Amino acid sequence: AQSVSQHNHHVILSEAASLELGCNYSYGGTVNLFWYVQYPGQHLQLLLKYFSGDPLVKGIKGFEAEFIKSKFSFNLRKPSVQWSDTAEYFCAAPGAAAGNKLTFGGGTRVLVKP
Amino acid sequence: GAVVSQHPSWVICKSGTSVKIECRSLDFQATTMFWYRQFPKQSLMLMATSNEGSKATYEQGVEKDKFLINHASLTLSTLTVTSAHPEDSSFYICSARRQASYEQYFGPGTRLTVT
Repeated sequence: AQSVSQHNHHVILSEAASLELGCNYSYGGTVNLFWYVQYPGQHLQLLLKYFSGDPLVKGIKGFEAEFIKSKFSFNLRKPSVQWSDTAEYFCAAPGAAAGNKLTFGGGTRVLVKP
Repeated sequence: GAVVSQHPSWVICKSGTSVKIECRSLDFQATTMFWYRQFPKQSLMLMATSNEGSKATYEQGVEKDKFLINHASLTLSTLTVTSAHPEDSSFYICSARRQASYEQYFGPGTRLTVT
């Protein structure tokens, strides 16, 4: 079975600081990885995804993530955060079984102070 | 494109009654829809996977007789919480995906409060 772990539950930082959120998955056969964001009061939105090719993936709003197969990791980064990046971030990966079910990490709540 | 809607966005019901939540893919055909439950400050927990025209597949620990799922068309899936109890109060989120795709598009969620 797939498991996805996110290292930080809460992150507090100031505007212009750099952000990196860790994500590790367990099933090595997966090559489809996702980061979703949930802004306060809003629904989940896709931030970026990796399917194949360049392991450094660029998403919306200046976010990027790097797929490192040897480390089973897909960490999310943003060089300079803004107050509007305050949200909860979820990493997700499909499992080994059929059905395209996504397993979500526990989420990381990010608070950016103005 | 790829918009998913849910109705209602919030509902309050009395204990013992049933509540139906609709999930619609507005601009694409969703061969598979997923139902999740999200408790406050927690991650999404998959409840069931529903494929159009067939029975839903429930995750371990989810009561199929309590959470009835119907996926009658390629754009609509419904979740009915039967004989609701206060512990069923939660945020229910659906997602939809196109055929042969891992990417899921999420609805805005339905907040259910059972009194």
